[in-house]
Amino acid sequence: TQLLEQSPQFLSIQEGENLTVYCNSSSVFSSLQWYRQEPGEGPVLLVTVVTGGEVKKLKRLTFQFGDARKDSSLHITAAQPGDTGLYLCAGVNFNKFYFGSGTKLNVKP
Amino acid sequence: EAGVAQSPRYKIIEKRQSVAFWCNPISGHATLYWYQQILGQGPKLLIQFQNNGVVDDSQLPKDRFSAERLKGVDSTLKIQPAKLEDSAVYLCASSSGYTMTLTDTQYFGPGTRLTVL
Repeated sequence: TQLLEQSPQFLSIQEGENLTVYCNSSSVFSSLQWYRQEPGEGPVLLVTVVTGGEVKKLKRLTFQFGDARKDSSLHITAAQPGDTGLYLCAGVNFNKFYFGSGTKLNVKP
Repeated sequence: EAGVAQSPRYKIIEKRQSVAFWCNPISGHATLYWYQQILGQGPKLLIQFQNNGVVDDSQLPKDRFSAERLKGVDSTLKIQPAKLEDSAVYLCASSSGYTMTLTDTQYFGPGTRLTVL
């Protein structure tokens, strides 16, 4: 069982569409991170959210940390083919680092 | 600044054979991590080193997996003997901090893709 569950598992959309990816847990995390991983590469950090209710924006990407610090979401506006990749959330729980199950996004031109 | 280096990039072996992976972290980074990423899943932490000491190896299958970080710089991860379920990408990451916190960024290498036949 994964400590961090992501949904959806797969997402295939057309260029220009909006999408939201969710990261949920029954555990409280002091902070959460979001990564993007492209084929043949390691994950690359996108953002860290540390305060319950926090919202961070990175160009067309908006990240939100739940008030109870058990969940997070990633919203992409006007998706582009360059956004294609595996999106992973990650967090520290009892001093151990966990990745989520991942959401594979494909943006078609 | 050079990134995290890993070799080999690909390895194909028969089950019950041995295999070793090498990782060279970013210069000066105290903490080194090895992850296993099975296809379609998120990475799973196998072992974390702080300098040349082990901080966490609770998810390392110690009957067949071993890792070392002599001199606190580069590291090797070994599997002996390999099983079919060990087929995965093995990722190495490093960070400059000394504790497992999310204020410290992990930098990942490209990984080694292992196929066990």
